[in-house]
Amino acid sequence: EAGVTQFPSHSVIEKGQTVTLRCDPISGHDNLYWYRRVMGKEIKFLLHFVKESKQDESGMPNNRFLAERTGGTYSTLKVQPAELEDSGVYFCASSQVRAGELFFGEGSRLTVL
Amino acid sequence: AQSVTQPDIHITVSEGASLELRCNYSYGATPYLFWYVQSPGQGLQLLLKYFSGDTLVQGIKGFEAEFKRSQSSFNLRKPSVHWSDAAEYFCAVASEGGSQGNLIFGKGTKLSVKP
Repeated sequence: EAGVTQFPSHSVIEKGQTVTLRCDPISGHDNLYWYRRVMGKEIKFLLHFVKESKQDESGMPNNRFLAERTGGTYSTLKVQPAELEDSGVYFCASSQVRAGELFFGEGSRLTVL
Repeated sequence: AQSVTQPDIHITVSEGASLELRCNYSYGATPYLFWYVQSPGQGLQLLLKYFSGDTLVQGIKGFEAEFKRSQSSFNLRKPSVHWSDAAEYFCAVASEGGSQGNLIFGKGTKLSVKP
């Protein structure tokens, strides 16, 4: 069974450009989470989907970040326009049930120059 | 505010030696506590979790952790470290009032293993 997959593994963009990160959760997992780790800091929660609905988006830093999960399958996280402080590793995780174990992807590293 | 503190940024131990990674949390109610590991090139993997009951929790790969409410600690231990244990370890607590997938992480402890 495939795990959580994230694409791209690494993206380098200029400040002001747009980047879209994609996450494919484990098949059948209704719960999908985005986290971010800025260099030297903690891994921080961004938001939680249950199927296609945003259950908790309390961690989204500002309105330059847009997360979608159309059809309740894969999810995208768009950053527009990107700023220097957006650099970091973006993790996606999924779980079958709300209180279940989170399975994490390898992360997408974003570098904004 | 809830928080998790991992006081050691980097630890080096010899292969075969015992290991203890420290974790302290700040939380109002009974916490849900987790330890995750991230090996190079891998995603985070759950080692073990504590929700309630027995305060000594067994996990995968020979790891265990002990919940001590009086010390607000959830330290991770392993009696004999293997070279493959070299990785970064994260302690986390589920956010109070949030879904159990809304985790608050510590900054992580990087473990190096000497041959």
